Amino acid sequence: QVQLVQSGAEVKKPGASVKLSCKTYGYTFTDFYMHWVRQAPGQGLEWMAILTPGGDSINHAQKFLGRVSMTRDTSTSTVYLELSRLRSEDTAVYYCARGGEGSGHAFDYWGQGTLVTVSS
Amino acid sequence: SYEVTQPPSVSVSPGQTASIPCSGDHLGNKYSSWYQQRPGQSPVLLIYQDSKRPPGIPERFSGSISGNTATLTITRTQALDEADYYCQAWDSTTAWVFGGGTRLTVL
Repeated sequence: QVQLVQSGAEVKKPGASVKLSCKTYGYTFTDFYMHWVRQAPGQGLEWMAILTPGGDSINHAQKFLGRVSMTRDTSTSTVYLELSRLRSEDTAVYYCARGGEGSGHAFDYWGQGTLVTVSS
Repeated sequence: SYEVTQPPSVSVSPGQTASIPCSGDHLGNKYSSWYQQRPGQSPVLLIYQDSKRPPGIPERFSGSISGNTATLTITRTQALDEADYYCQAWDSTTAWVFGGGTRLTVL
């Protein structure tokens, strides 16, 4: 069955970068969009970025301009998120999620989440 | 930037029907989705394209759209339905936008 398995928790200092991974199982990796969504403690969901099925295009929310990068490794069906110049407000649980036109661009499967803590 | 608005909380008695609205400009021209998130868990897709249910989602959960308001309706509400519910809007110009979430309390 479809599974998205994310890497473990991270603790980073302000100004550093973090790279998260999301390994997928149970479907054709290159047929679907992949997204990252984050949730700050006690807060709501916030869409961050998308990678197209062809892997050749990335779009992201304006607030992350210049700080976010999504990449993938098709040999392992894994997608990555790198967020740079971290600040305390980036402390959150980060989720990868699958999307597609068949689900009206909704997120039909989610990873278990990765907690990123930014603290000096 | 585009926004969708949900009430912070909704209360319902067990066995009754809960309705959670989500409003936004021209929301009727976009796709609306709904997610359930229980404490400490990842979100689960309940409704997509305004009113479609993914496989495995109970028929008690339904979605509708009228004008600029999408509504998630939960019939025969149970204690296990206590959770946060998020609406999400999409179109090719505004991308993916979440509402602030609604905490459903089953009293």
